[in-house]
Amino acid sequence: RKEVEQDPGPFNVPEGATVAFNCTYSNSASQSFFWYRQDCRKEPKLLMSVYSSGNEDGRFTAQLNRASQYISLLIRDSKLSDSATYLCVVPAGGTSYGKLTFGQGTILTVHP
Amino acid sequence: ETGVTQSPTHLIKTRGQQVTLRCSSQSGHNTVSWYQQALGQGPQFIFQYYREEENGRGNFPPRFSGLQFPNYSSELNVNALELDDSALYLCASSLGTQNYNEQFFGPGTRLTVL
Repeated sequence: RKEVEQDPGPFNVPEGATVAFNCTYSNSASQSFFWYRQDCRKEPKLLMSVYSSGNEDGRFTAQLNRASQYISLLIRDSKLSDSATYLCVVPAGGTSYGKLTFGQGTILTVHP
Repeated sequence: ETGVTQSPTHLIKTRGQQVTLRCSSQSGHNTVSWYQQALGQGPQFIFQYYREEENGRGNFPPRFSGLQFPNYSSELNVNALELDDSALYLCASSLGTQNYNEQFFGPGTRLTVL
């Protein structure tokens, strides 16, 4: 089983739609999780951190299910500017060092 | 802009050659991590440097090596280049080595090995 697995998509949705991505992870010791956004040919940028059961920031909601070891990202009222690759990121278990394990990424395209 | 810079932006090498990539961390950040991102994949952790010492390593062979300097800038060296080394190489700086320390990525160096 891969350490972090995501559905690569692509997801093609119209403006205003609600879209959700799921991510599963294998390391049950992981305590914190991240969603990064990566625009085409650009560097990844932190979108949201998830430390407890979930986090909400405007149109974006991240949820964590520790029992099932999955994280989800929900985007409401999609904008054209949301088109990007969304990377699920799981830090190494423990606090020894900040190794980040990335999923393959889910491609989202929002069209008019 | 994150304040993390990388050079060069693009590089073309041939198999067997050696390459050095450079990264300047964001002001005040003492930790630099390096990642390799192949086309269509997520970044893969190569190693991390903290206060000039390697502080963790991913599943990369010894021909991938690094340095961190007193000003916290860093280099990634790759010897005996192989075709599969073609990728985007990203460095990320952070204030500390803990999992909760946000890592800020530079724009990357795109390496092509022919």
